[in-house]
Amino acid sequence: GQNIDQPTEMTATEGAIVQINCTYQTSGFNGLFWYQQHAGEAPTFLSYNVLDGLEEKGRFSSFLSRSKGYSYLLLKELQMKDSASYLCALMDSNYQLIWGAGTKLIIKP
Amino acid sequence: GAVVSQHPSWVICKSGTSVKIECRSLDFQATTMFWYRQFPKQSLMLMATSNEGSKATYEQGVEKDKFLINHASLTLSTLTVTSAHPEDSSFYICSARLAEPYEQYFGPGTRLTVT
Repeated sequence: GQNIDQPTEMTATEGAIVQINCTYQTSGFNGLFWYQQHAGEAPTFLSYNVLDGLEEKGRFSSFLSRSKGYSYLLLKELQMKDSASYLCALMDSNYQLIWGAGTKLIIKP
Repeated sequence: GAVVSQHPSWVICKSGTSVKIECRSLDFQATTMFWYRQFPKQSLMLMATSNEGSKATYEQGVEKDKFLINHASLTLSTLTVTSAHPEDSSFYICSARLAEPYEQYFGPGTRLTVT
């Protein structure tokens, strides 16, 4: 089966950097996604990693290590609007997404 | 990026009635669409996978006779909640998947309240 773990909640300061970790166990792997979800809204796509390494997109970067079953989302120059839940999702061998419970990120001034 | 729309964005209905929610991929063709449900402060729960031209695949515990899914074209899938009950009140979200590299794009969601 599959299992995904990410912290329930994190707090960071405006302007700082935060790293949200995601660990997983799976028998089939076709990529690791990160989504952002603001309260009361649908998720929006942030990143997709299928190969090991770091993918950078502006203030957001995502890292994957397949051998370690580990990914992280790095947010730089935090803004108040970054307060949201961040969802880690694993794509299994059937190309279905298996969702983590999400990490609620609270940004303080 | 790919755009997915949902209609309506919110709906209030009486117990026992049926409600139809539409999901459209506006600028791409989606052979596969997904329907999720999310209760407050809980994770996304996949209800069913909808493939164009074929029957939907429902997740365990989801009643296919209650949640009717139709994926008649490459840009439209519908979810009909039949004989709605207050416990069906939730946030229903659809997503559409690109063929490559399998990214899923979400609609804005439909908030259903059953009174």
